[in-house]
This record gives sequence, C-alpha cells and structure tokens, in this order.
Amino acid sequence: DTQMTQSPSTLSAYVGDRVTITCRASQSISNWLAWYQQKRGKAPKLVIQKVSNLESGVPSRFSGSGSGTEFTLTINGLQPDDFATYYCQQYSTSKTFGQGTKVE
Amino acid sequence: EVQLVETGGGLVQPGGSLRLSCVASGFTFRDSWMSWVRQAPGKGLEWVANIKEDGSERYYVGSVKGRFTISRDNAKNSLYLQVNSLTVDDTAVYYCARDVAHGVFDVWGQGTTVSVSS
Repeated sequence: DTQMTQSPSTLSAYVGDRVTITCRASQSISNWLAWYQQKRGKAPKLVIQKVSNLESGVPSRFSGSGSGTEFTLTINGLQPDDFATYYCQQYSTSKTFGQGTKVE
Repeated sequence: EVQLVETGGGLVQPGGSLRLSCVASGFTFRDSWMSWVRQAPGKGLEWVANIKEDGSERYYVGSVKGRFTISRDNAKNSLYLQVNSLTVDDTAVYYCARDVAHGVFDVWGQGTTVSVSS
C-alpha cells in the first residue's frame, strides 16, 4: 500500500500568511494527487486534483505542486475561511489519504 | 443542485450489521463511479470501497474485504453499503462520494454515523 505522510500535523498561522503543507508518498504516485479541505463537522471538499488543477470555485490563492513522491499545497494570503484541516490523497494505486494538517 | 444524502447509520453491537444508503441527485448517477469513505472519531479519512457505473467492478480496502459489500441501484439513483461483522474499529462517519478521474472524490454527502459498542 502507498502511505501518505503530511507535515506538519498542525500549523499555526495568521490571516495574510503564506502557508505551505507538505505531503510525501511512500512510493512514486506520478501526478495522481488530490487535496481536500475539511471543516469541523463537515464533509471534505475537493480543492485540487492532479497535483495542481484547482477545482471550480476554489480561490486562486490555493496552489499545488510536486511530482513523484513529494508534493505541496500552498495558500498565499491565508483568509479566515481557510482555517481547516487539509488532507492529501493519492489515487495512483488504490486510494489513501494523509493523516491531515490542521491550520489554526 | 448536485447532492448526495446518506442514511442508515446507528448504534450497533459488535458482530452486528447495518445497511447504509446514499441517494444521489443533480447528476447522472448511472454514469458515475461511486465510493464510500469513512472517518473514525478524531481521525483521518479512509477510502472503504468503490463501484463501477454498471456495478460490474467493485473494490475494497483490505480491512473490510469479506465483511462489507458495496452495491447500487441505478434506477433509484442509490448507492448502498452492507456492513457485517462490525467491530469497534468500524465506528466512523461514513461518507458517500462521487468518484471521478479514477479516484478523486468531487462530491460528498453529509455522512452517516456508525457506532459499534456493546
């Protein structure tokens, strides 16, 4: 199974900050990586697929990069609505999620 | 409006069974792969199972193989998950999700809670 490891587990930030979350895969997943945002008590929301493709309606301050085994999600200019937990997910071999990064 | 609505969760004893349901609206259900994803209390997300548009292919995570069965009824725009031989480790919110691009979940339901306890 392909394991996904996110860092950090928790990230403290202020409105306006540039925030970067890292996701590492235990083996190469090419570009089969997605990012989700989840707020407390709510279902996850797809933010980015295929490493860097922003979903419709997602603000352009979100961006993704990487390939192979190392990926990043960046939020440029953190907004109050962005405080949430973010999960990476690989879909190269079956589907597995990272353990999550809470942005507080 | 694209929507998924899950029902069927509840409190069940270890070894018990439940049937979870998910009704889809606002998109062509019969043209969509569908998945179940679960989240244990305070934990991360775990993909559980998925099913092809016509039901001819089904896949499961290892921990539920032989205990859970995913199925669908395209005439009713409905997805199901039969969960048997439940253990406390199956306690979670179970989400129904549309599965696109070979594994990306772009539409999610609100979830239904399964609690396994004696």
